[in-house]
Amino acid sequence: GENVEQHPSTLSVQEGDSAVIKCTYSDSASNYFPWYKQELGKRPQLIIDIRSNVGEKKDQRIAVTLNKTAKHFSLHITETQPEDSAVYFCAASILGYSTLTFGKGTMLLVSP
Amino acid sequence: GAGVSQTPSNKVTEKGKYVELRCDPISGHTALYWYRQSLGQGPEFLIYFQGTGAADDSGLPNDRFFAVRPEGSVSTLKIQRTERGDSAVYLCASSPIAPRTSGKYNEQFFGPGTRLTVL
Repeated sequence: GENVEQHPSTLSVQEGDSAVIKCTYSDSASNYFPWYKQELGKRPQLIIDIRSNVGEKKDQRIAVTLNKTAKHFSLHITETQPEDSAVYFCAASILGYSTLTFGKGTMLLVSP
Repeated sequence: GAGVSQTPSNKVTEKGKYVELRCDPISGHTALYWYRQSLGQGPEFLIYFQGTGAADDSGLPNDRFFAVRPEGSVSTLKIQRTERGDSAVYLCASSPIAPRTSGKYNEQFFGPGTRLTVL
């Protein structure tokens, strides 16, 4: 089955800095990669996703890149703000199938 | 509109007891998923329903775990003879189109979870 590794487990940055979270996956058949943000005690919420037919996708301060050959994908947050502080999860799946396989999460702390 | 809701929000039980966790998906969503999230971990897939039937139950850890969705809307996750290792947050999610029929992947909307503590 699919295995998703996520690094780092914690990331501390100053407000205004950029943050990068990296994930690798094992199943070359995976072709859908969502990122979820989970605030303390809250539900996971989708913030951005990417499909394997593109290499990069941006949405305001958030971007995701995908390298299919190396089987890794990354989340980039620019101009971080304190409200970006949360746990971020990457996940991998195969379009048309049900299972999302999640990474272990990255706790992002943005200091004012 | 209302999102995915789960009840109870917290459940404390004793080892060996039976528990039921309920999920109310977003109205009209045909696909429903159960995940388990242990402390410091990502959500772990348990079971997926397409309509009333369990399309994939490969994530259920053992036969103490069972889930139903009799009318294709509300789902109940049932755990028999609970063990301390079952303690976790149980998350439910729903999506509007069943992936297997559409060939597409639709966003999964998560509920707030039920925190289960087995003493």
